[in-house]
Amino acid sequence: IAGITQAPTSQILAAGRRMTLRCTQDMRHNAMYWYRQDLGLGLRLIHYSNTAGTTGKGEVPDGYSVSRANTDDFPLTLASAVPSQTSVYFCASSEAATDTQYFGPGTRLTVL
Amino acid sequence: GQNIDQPTEMTATEGAIVQINCTYQTSGFNGLFWYQQHAGEAPTFLSYNVLDGLEEKGRFSSFLSRSKGYSYLLLKELQMKDSASYLCAVMDSNYQLIWGAGTKLIIKP
Repeated sequence: IAGITQAPTSQILAAGRRMTLRCTQDMRHNAMYWYRQDLGLGLRLIHYSNTAGTTGKGEVPDGYSVSRANTDDFPLTLASAVPSQTSVYFCASSEAATDTQYFGPGTRLTVL
Repeated sequence: GQNIDQPTEMTATEGAIVQINCTYQTSGFNGLFWYQQHAGEAPTFLSYNVLDGLEEKGRFSSFLSRSKGYSYLLLKELQMKDSASYLCAVMDSNYQLIWGAGTKLIIKP
């Protein structure tokens, strides 16, 4: 692995289903982030983690949860998906919260 | 509220120069970032400015004026591969990035 990986690459999901998007980085970065990107809008921060064991809410956290059990992994869970959660989801990491963020390849999620 | 403004779309000719502007109003300022994003791909880091002035990196340069809440990205000797969206982002007082919607740059031969 080099950098940040995300899985799955894309997913079609029925409304009401639970879904976990996976994110793993091998750069030993302390900070990790989840964004969603929608057409015509800037990237919006969902949740973040400045270090393993801590998480925080971003601009649009409702309907999403995260955990940071170790440095490398930062999964994002949709407890009960709704169509408005259709989006492209990017995971990112940085050495510290003040540093440049580097992005994973993204997950394209469609909720029907 | 916090706001980042940049043009939605620009068109330029291969070999030419283009300037993409970004204006911002944020709660605090801890630096401004430019990212490039090709269609269907992840954003990739281009430049970072925290002090006023011009930062040059090969064909790309980025300028910042903190007093004016203004930055631009200058791309020289445009190549077809420069066709992409360019994202401006400001790190606010909480060290969170506030993102513009991006400028789609179309390069014509």
